[in-house]
Amino acid sequence: DQQVKQNSPSLSVQEGRISILNCDYTNSMFDYFLWYKKYPAEGPTFLISISSIKDKNEDGRFTVFLNKSAKHLSLHIVPSQPGDSAVYFCAASVGGGATNKLIFGTGTLLAVQP
Amino acid sequence: NAGVTQTPKFRVLKTGQSMTLLCAQDMNHEYMYWYRQDPGMGLRLIHYSVGEGTTAKGEVPDGYNVSRLKKQNFLLGLESAAPSQTSVYFCASSYSTGLAGVWDEQYFGPGTRLTVT
Repeated sequence: DQQVKQNSPSLSVQEGRISILNCDYTNSMFDYFLWYKKYPAEGPTFLISISSIKDKNEDGRFTVFLNKSAKHLSLHIVPSQPGDSAVYFCAASVGGGATNKLIFGTGTLLAVQP
Repeated sequence: NAGVTQTPKFRVLKTGQSMTLLCAQDMNHEYMYWYRQDPGMGLRLIHYSVGEGTTAKGEVPDGYNVSRLKKQNFLLGLESAAPSQTSVYFCASSYSTGLAGVWDEQYFGPGTRLTVT
């Protein structure tokens, strides 16, 4: 039972355009949502998070939107750069600081074409 | 600061052999985690620890054991390796506020690629 789903295994966009990565979840008890970025042969690195009590969080070129009624979140990257090419994992946390445990989606490979 | 380090980086085992993966962090984090990453599966939590001397099961704990004898180290053991345990293993650590509704970033190591033949 996949509680966090990323239905697009890959996405290709042109440099300078917007990249939109999507994620759906099933557990309404999740209290935090995160995006991690992963380059080949490296560990994932934290990108941006959003609390379940908010609907938008912005950090530079990266914005995460949360639609709780649809159980859907998205990551917008504007403008996209070739260095953004990586696998992006959506993740969710339940229980907050008691354990900080995460449930990850399957990932979306983003390719930004110069 | 080295952050989170993992030893070894690569390993090939034969079915039935045993091994231990070592994770070390120098950030004085309370919480530590072991994940495995398989194609099309994302990262799945194997075991985790919320403090020295404590461990708990994650999503996919079968076939693995862990120990957290020192705060900075988290060991993952495979007693009798199986081909199904071929994977990339990631260790992570995080600070802990211990507060509900608060999440603290998990910092990941570079991974260990394990092949079981």
